[in-house]
Amino acid sequence: EVQLLESGGGLVQPGGSLRLSCAASGFTFSNYGMSWVRQAPGKGLEWVSCFSGSGDNTYYADSVKGRFTISRDNSKNTLYLQMNSLRVEDTAIYYCAKGHESVASCYSSLNSWGQGILVTVSS
Amino acid sequence: DIVMTQSPDSLAVSLGERATINCKSSQSVLYSSNNKNYLAWYQQKPGRPPKLLIYWASTRESGVPDRFSASGSGTDFTLTISSLQAEDVAVYYCQQYYSIPFTFGPGTKVDIK
Repeated sequence: EVQLLESGGGLVQPGGSLRLSCAASGFTFSNYGMSWVRQAPGKGLEWVSCFSGSGDNTYYADSVKGRFTISRDNSKNTLYLQMNSLRVEDTAIYYCAKGHESVASCYSSLNSWGQGILVTVSS
Repeated sequence: DIVMTQSPDSLAVSLGERATINCKSSQSVLYSSNNKNYLAWYQQKPGRPPKLLIYWASTRESGVPDRFSASGSGTDFTLTISSLQAEDVAVYYCQQYYSIPFTFGPGTKVDIK
């Protein structure tokens, strides 16, 4: 059974930093692209970033480019999101999600999601 | 960026009746080299993460009831719930994964009439 468990969220002041982690189990982690998707309170879904399963291809939404960095440690089956220069508008539940196609590409639907972790940016 | 729109914003359907949700992309999400539409549908219930229902525009994910079906190509897509059940109350999102940034529609809320 695929499991994705996010951690590292919490309350941070504007301009601050947080690092989210997503511990994965139940599948061959290195074979899949992994993404972060966020959802502001009461709002819709926003794709944030993806790291391909092979190579070092990373992709970002314009809203986080230059501030957020996605990384992964295949030896630990863990995905990360380093978030710097946080803004009030980054407040959201952040979901870790697994790519559906075992081609390691990011160009895939997302067929498994974690429960999400809340990040609140406020003074 | 590809802009995804959905209609209606919300709908209320009687139990056992059909629900239809439309999704439109601002440019085609059909990749000509493999003839696949890079379009997915997700269901999100309150307080829960999204759940994949449909990928490649019309392929039902394993375990998804067959009352859920989807169709469309290029820029126009439809999700149909053939006989609405109480457990189908949720918000439904379409998403394109054709080009970065991958974008979601604003969602359609489905309720029981």
